[in-house]
Amino acid sequence: SAVISQKPSRDICQRGTSLTIQCQVDSQVTMMFWYRQQPGQSLTLIATANQGSEATYESGFVIDKFPISRPNLTFSTLTVSNMSPEDSSIYLCSVDGRGGLAGSLRETQYFGPGTRLLVL
Amino acid sequence: RKEVEQDPGPFNVPEGATVAFNCTYSNSASQSFFWYRQDCRKEPKLLMSVYSSGNEDGRFTAQLNRASQYISLLIRDSKLSDSATYLCVVTDTGRRALTFGSGTRLQVQP
Repeated sequence: SAVISQKPSRDICQRGTSLTIQCQVDSQVTMMFWYRQQPGQSLTLIATANQGSEATYESGFVIDKFPISRPNLTFSTLTVSNMSPEDSSIYLCSVDGRGGLAGSLRETQYFGPGTRLLVL
Repeated sequence: RKEVEQDPGPFNVPEGATVAFNCTYSNSASQSFFWYRQDCRKEPKLLMSVYSSGNEDGRFTAQLNRASQYISLLIRDSKLSDSATYLCVVTDTGRRALTFGSGTRLQVQP
């Protein structure tokens, strides 16, 4: 299965500041996804990040608030900008199981361990 | 209406019990269906895919009813280690991102 790492694993931030979360995959993948899981809630897709093109954002999420970079096929960043306490959440990246990951199942998505963010 | 709906639980069952979770989805274009498991403070992990013909993996059986837009997960002979939140997940044609249900929490007690 894919090995996905995220940095930082957790952070406590002041309102009004920004935090950039990194996601690194151990093999090349076409599509990467960023999700948010608010306390006691399930996962909500923020955006889909393809290498070489702008990210595609879901309803309720905008590029100014959550800018995403995808400079190559193994790496992506999500920035949470101008943070407020409502942004306190776990942020997870995931990759599609297709696209040449060795040993992967065709329909699987693998998730990173998540970044736990608390905004004061 | 949520795209994927689940009973949030919690389901508190004794070891050895059989427990069933249900899930309904609203998008008739949904094509792929999964059950994920999420342990406390961990990321979700794929438990099993769900196929139209139904499928079984050890103590776990998943079924899909496309006409009713209904998915189920049956766990037999529950173990303490089955305690987790079970997430019903769907995706539609050409869209590789996942749509998650809110999850059903299971607590297996000794």
